Amino acid sequence: DAGITQSPRHKVTETGTPVTLRCHQTENHRYMYWYRQDPGHGLRLIHYSYGVKDTDKGEVSDGYSVSRSKTEDFLLTLESATSSQTSVYFCAINRGGKETQYFGPGTRLLVL
Amino acid sequence: AQKVTQAQTEISVVEKEDVTLDCVYETRDTTYYLFWYKQPPSGELVFLIRRNSFDEQNEISGRYSWNFQKSTSSFNFTITASQVVDSAVYFCALSGDRSNDYKLSFGAGTTVTVRA
Repeated sequence: DAGITQSPRHKVTETGTPVTLRCHQTENHRYMYWYRQDPGHGLRLIHYSYGVKDTDKGEVSDGYSVSRSKTEDFLLTLESATSSQTSVYFCAINRGGKETQYFGPGTRLLVL
Repeated sequence: AQKVTQAQTEISVVEKEDVTLDCVYETRDTTYYLFWYKQPPSGELVFLIRRNSFDEQNEISGRYSWNFQKSTSSFNFTITASQVVDSAVYFCALSGDRSNDYKLSFGAGTTVTVRA
């Protein structure tokens, strides 16, 4: 979707290093979300934001932190990456009456 | 707590066959929303449909149709006359309303393979 970008799209890192993923939206939506996708689990919510500087935890928040200093950017940080955080990470925003989430292209993260 | 169950892990069909994907959900909310998303091999997540808890009308969109039944907490998805391009992982998802910040709970997904 042209309105949501994620960077980087692919990243390989080593255990113990910090990693920051960025989600950028151009449509001024209030709600933004970070999910991770793993085989057998579908997508699981990590953290989400309901406004600038307003964030909350999701189902699998341990080992992750987020920040949202402006409407368009939502950052996900792995303070000290572990192999269990190898996954595909998707950012999402609400659009169209706020009930429907639309997803960015995803970031593939490999932690060695 | 919300829960979505997609019991079918994989389905393989021959082109032009119909395929039905099952989705069963659990929620205590009175107002909730049900979704289907498609994830083709390229990896992006494509929104297909949204249904709210007050609208039990079935919906048809081209070869796709959805059957929402509150009595059985199910929201099943049928692809009629399947095509190779329908090969993908399909996710069923559930969210509450604004009081729950519209957070989504996903099923594990069903991988559909359509063979020519």
